Amino acid sequence: DADVTQTPRNRITKTGKRIMLECSQTKGHDRMYWYRQDPGLGLQLIYYSFDVKDINKGEISDGYSVSRQAQAKFSLSLESAIPNQTALYFCATSDWQRPEAQYFGPGTRLTVL
Amino acid sequence: GENVEQHPSTLSVQEGDSAVIKCTYSDSASNYFPWYKQELGKGPQLIIDIRSNVGEKKDQRIAVTLNKTAKHFSLHITETQPEDSAVYFCAASFNNAGKSTFGDGTTLTVKP
Repeated sequence: DADVTQTPRNRITKTGKRIMLECSQTKGHDRMYWYRQDPGLGLQLIYYSFDVKDINKGEISDGYSVSRQAQAKFSLSLESAIPNQTALYFCATSDWQRPEAQYFGPGTRLTVL
Repeated sequence: GENVEQHPSTLSVQEGDSAVIKCTYSDSASNYFPWYKQELGKGPQLIIDIRSNVGEKKDQRIAVTLNKTAKHFSLHITETQPEDSAVYFCAASFNNAGKSTFGDGTTLTVKP
C-alpha cells in the first residue's frame, strides 16, 4: 500500500551495529505498529503506538526500541543487531474508528551477519 | 494471551476449484477476525473480516465463516484463479485493543 512507506527496503548489516528502520504514512491514521515476520511464521508484534505520546511493548520487544516522531512517522531501532534479528519487518497503521483493520507497508528485509 | 492456529500450511488447487483455510483461536473474548493476503514482495493486505456477532460474510468469490462455540473460523475462496496464489493469514483480536494475533499463514498455489 503506497500510503504506508518503509525505508530502507533491504538492509544488510553486521552484528553489533545500530540500525534504524523508518515508517511513514499518509493515511492520517493515529495508530502505528511494528511487526516481525520470520519464514513460515506469522507476524509477531514488536511495538505499537496509539498516538505520539502512547507507546507500548508487544510480544517480542527485547532488543528493539521505537520512536514516534510525529503522527505520521514511527521508527524502529535495533540498538545492537544480532543474527537472529534477521527477518522481514513490517510497519502497519490503523484508525481509531476501525482499529483492528490494519494497513501494512511493503516491508524491510533485514539481514544481520 | 491469544493463540491462533492455522491449517493447512500449504494448499495447492486447480484453477476453478475451491480453497478452504481454517483457523482456531483460544481466547473466547476475541471478537474480530480479519484475513490478510500477502503477495510476493508485498505487505499483507486485508481482504475480508468478520465480527463475532456475524456467522458468515461474503465478498464476491471469498467468504468467511465463524463458529464462536467451537472457536474456529474459515476462509473460503471459490472459482480460484492463478492471481489468488499468495500467502493468507488469519488473525484474531479483541475490541478496541487494535492488536491482532496472527496465524502462521497458508501458502495457496492455484495451478492453471
